[in-house]
Amino acid sequence: GAGVSQSPSNKVTEKGKDVELRCDPISGHTALYWYRQSLGQGLEFLIYFQGNSAPDKSGLPSDRFSAERTGGSVSTLTIQRTQQEDSAVYLCASSPGRRAKNIQYFGAGTRLSVL
Amino acid sequence: DQQVKQNSPSLSVQEGRISILNCDYTNSMFDYFLWYKKYPAEGPTFLISISSIKDKNEDGRFTVFLNKSAKHLSLHIVPSQPGDSAVYFCAASFSSGGGADGLTFGKGTHLIIQP
Repeated sequence: GAGVSQSPSNKVTEKGKDVELRCDPISGHTALYWYRQSLGQGLEFLIYFQGNSAPDKSGLPSDRFSAERTGGSVSTLTIQRTQQEDSAVYLCASSPGRRAKNIQYFGAGTRLSVL
Repeated sequence: DQQVKQNSPSLSVQEGRISILNCDYTNSMFDYFLWYKKYPAEGPTFLISISSIKDKNEDGRFTVFLNKSAKHLSLHIVPSQPGDSAVYFCAASFSSGGGADGLTFGKGTHLIIQP
C-alpha cells in the first residue's frame, strides 16, 4: 500500500455542517497538494505544503477552507459551514520534492456531496 | 479565465488507429507540461511530460508534441488500445520561480477506444 490514501472515499453532509477530509501521502514525499474537481471542470489547485515551510494557500476559494499537515505527513482539509457549491471530488497528491519535474501522485479522492 | 484548455470533451477512436488529444494554454510563463490519465473512481496517474526546451517526447506508444509559438501541445497514442479508454488531462506548471508548483489542469478529454 505505497500509494496516496484518502478518506473517506465518499462523504454526504448537510449544508452548514463542517467536514474533514484526510490524506496520507506516500512515505517520504515532502510535497503535498490538495485539488478539487467540480462536475465538468478540470482539477483546481487549492493548497500546497512543502516540508516544514508555511503552506501556499493561494488556491483556497474562501476562508471556510483550511488545511493542516501534521508532522510533515498526514494532511487534513477542513471545510466549515459547507455550501452546495462545495460539492466536488477532492483530490490529494504528493511528490518527492518541490520541483515541477517531480511527478505528482494522486489519491483516489473524496467525493463530497452537500445536500 | 482558463489558462489550460482542452476543447474536445470527448473523442472516439477505433482500436489500432492513432488517438490525438489536443491542449492549448494561454500563459507563456508555463514551461513544463504533463499529461495525466484518469479512470473512473481513481485518481489521475501520470502519463508523460515535456519541458519547454523540447518539442517532442516519446515513451512507447505515447508521444507528446509541444509547439511553443502556438502555445499548443498534443498527445499521440499509437496504436490505440481498449485500455486507453479514460479521461486525459493536460496540465501545465512553472518549473522555476516562486509559487507552489501546483499544476494547472484542463477540463479533460474523454477518450473512447472502439473495438
